[in-house]
Amino acid sequence: DTAVSQTPKYLVTQMGNDKSIKCEQNLGHDTMYWYKQDSKKFLKIMFSYNNKELIINETVPNRFSPKSPDKAHLNLHINSLELGDSAVYFCASSRRGAATNEKLFFGSGTQLSVL
Amino acid sequence: DQQVKQNSPSLSVQEGRISILNCDYTNSMFDYFLWYKKYPAEGPTFLISISSIKDKNEDGRFTVFLNKSAKHLSLHIVPSQPGDSAVYFCAAISPYNFNKFYFGSGTKLNVKP
Repeated sequence: DTAVSQTPKYLVTQMGNDKSIKCEQNLGHDTMYWYKQDSKKFLKIMFSYNNKELIINETVPNRFSPKSPDKAHLNLHINSLELGDSAVYFCASSRRGAATNEKLFFGSGTQLSVL
Repeated sequence: DQQVKQNSPSLSVQEGRISILNCDYTNSMFDYFLWYKKYPAEGPTFLISISSIKDKNEDGRFTVFLNKSAKHLSLHIVPSQPGDSAVYFCAAISPYNFNKFYFGSGTKLNVKP
């Protein structure tokens, strides 16, 4: 069983479209995240939810809206897609946030290509 | 503002030799550090970690060294194997910023048979 699963793995779409990426974890973790790996390969945090509550919202355009229906799911909806949104998006979870002895478990990533 | 930096984008090592991957950080409040390994088309997976109260942590072929005064850590892989070829990310956390793992840009390791 995959601990953190995200779908789709590949997403190719036109500029201006709206798309969603889904993420689910079966680890019983309290905290979930969305990270973006840009062209420079940095893994940058976008959002973090703890027990369905938004904890971190980095400087991300309003076109990006996370939704956590329960603590096992964190979906990412993107409106009006732009060329610069092309990247790999990783979902991740941790038991109780970023603390000593905690670690992140990542999904396999969603390669988003905006044409 | 990148608080965790991996200045070597790539490293090539012969099988059986030592691989040394480096990581520097700027935030003196970081107190826990992790290394992740990433294969193509997969998510990063946890490899090894170290608390700031230690200067060394070992797990099989992998050893992480922490030099707090220099704000530097390194990952040693001995002996290196072709299966170790991957991108390695360094990460750090601070007790004053709950929920945020800070990552470097990764170093791509190529272990040649």
